[in-house]
Amino acid sequence: NAGVTQTPKFQVLKTGQSMTLQCAQDMNHNSMYWYRQDPGMGLRLIYYSASEGTTDKGEVPNGYNVSRLNKREFSLRLESAAPSQTSVYFCASSGSGVGGYTFGSGTRLTVV
Amino acid sequence: GDSVTQMEGPVTLSEEAFLTINCTYTATGYPSLFWYVQYPGEGLQLLLKATKADDKGSNKGFEATYRKETTSFHLEKGSVQVSDSAVYFCALDFGNEKLTFGTGTRLTIIP
Repeated sequence: NAGVTQTPKFQVLKTGQSMTLQCAQDMNHNSMYWYRQDPGMGLRLIYYSASEGTTDKGEVPNGYNVSRLNKREFSLRLESAAPSQTSVYFCASSGSGVGGYTFGSGTRLTVV
Repeated sequence: GDSVTQMEGPVTLSEEAFLTINCTYTATGYPSLFWYVQYPGEGLQLLLKATKADDKGSNKGFEATYRKETTSFHLEKGSVQVSDSAVYFCALDFGNEKLTFGTGTRLTIIP
């Protein structure tokens, strides 16, 4: 059981470049999330999707877009990367009820 | 708004020491409470949870009790091991499946 799979694991971008972070889950979960993790700030929610076809902004959505392609996949796009977006990005999913999240292993992104 | 406040780290302990990591929350209502652990280079993993007042969550020798009167969910372990070195996150959820995380506490265990 793979759980939540994120790609790529590492990426270096130049300022202004674009890229898409991919996330897929195989647990038939309805909800999916994108977080960024920065030193001393814990995890901050970027966007989430409560079900296929719906997306909502989280705490720090500026500079990002998302697509819930189907129930399994939830991608995060940076249209014009900035150094402030250097971070570790985590995708997570959750099912119904209070069961907590399942996290992917993260993408370490550096924008130079 | 809802928030979680965690004990500031880093925390360094010797092997077999007693561990407490404090967590308090501010919320209207009665959320479910969680502890997550992040080992180096990995994503977060659910360690334990409690869904109502006085519930005790436990896993891998760790325990935390949901204290409504003090709005707390402190993480404890009686005898830590080197393998417990990680970052620990407290979090809350009101059942809308949107977790609010604390800032994390880095724990290092010295042999």
